[in-house]
Amino acid sequence: AQSVTQLGSHVSVSEGALVLLRCNYSSSVPPYLFWYVQYPNQGLQLLLKYTSAATLVKGINGFEAEFKKSETSFHLTKPSAHMSDAAEYFCAVSGLDFGNEKLTFGTGTRLTIIP
Amino acid sequence: EPEVTQTPSHQVTQMGQEVILRCVPISNHLYFYWYRQILGQKVEFLVSFYNNEISEKSEIFDDQFSVERPDGSNFTLKIRSTKLEDSAMYFCASNIRGGGETQYFGPGTRLLVL
Repeated sequence: AQSVTQLGSHVSVSEGALVLLRCNYSSSVPPYLFWYVQYPNQGLQLLLKYTSAATLVKGINGFEAEFKKSETSFHLTKPSAHMSDAAEYFCAVSGLDFGNEKLTFGTGTRLTIIP
Repeated sequence: EPEVTQTPSHQVTQMGQEVILRCVPISNHLYFYWYRQILGQKVEFLVSFYNNEISEKSEIFDDQFSVERPDGSNFTLKIRSTKLEDSAMYFCASNIRGGGETQYFGPGTRLLVL
């Protein structure tokens, strides 16, 4: 079974500071990993994904994530936080085989930006 | 840019009533999904659908739930007899090739069961 764990249900950073949202995964097969963002009262939007190509993945809005197999991690970072980054962030893992395409989400991290 | 759409955006129903949530996936997508998010909790998988069949379902997706693609465009989730605990945001998603591919999510339907 695949799972992800997000450490920290709430993270607050000052505007302009580094954003670091943590995600660790568990998977018996090479995982496909995703970060989604959810703005208030909206659906889920893909930020970036890892699908076994480059270990450093760049996404939208200046976010990036690094896949580290040795640490089973896929942490999300952004060098300089902007007020518009305030949202809920979900890490997710999926399989590849037929019948195992679902996304399994972490519990989410609510990011607050302090002016 | 193509989007997944869902109707209605909000639905209020009485316990025991049937509800049908509707989704229009992106037109060239072949895999369809339903997820739900109870207020304040994580997003949970309900069911995946491919080639007019359920390919996977979770423990949540019991006999009270069913899915259908009635006309090659819509993808529906039916809850036969709603319970209070079915109150949640329901998201539809779709993608082209299933596992490992980006799933595109609709805006959700907020269901409130009284």
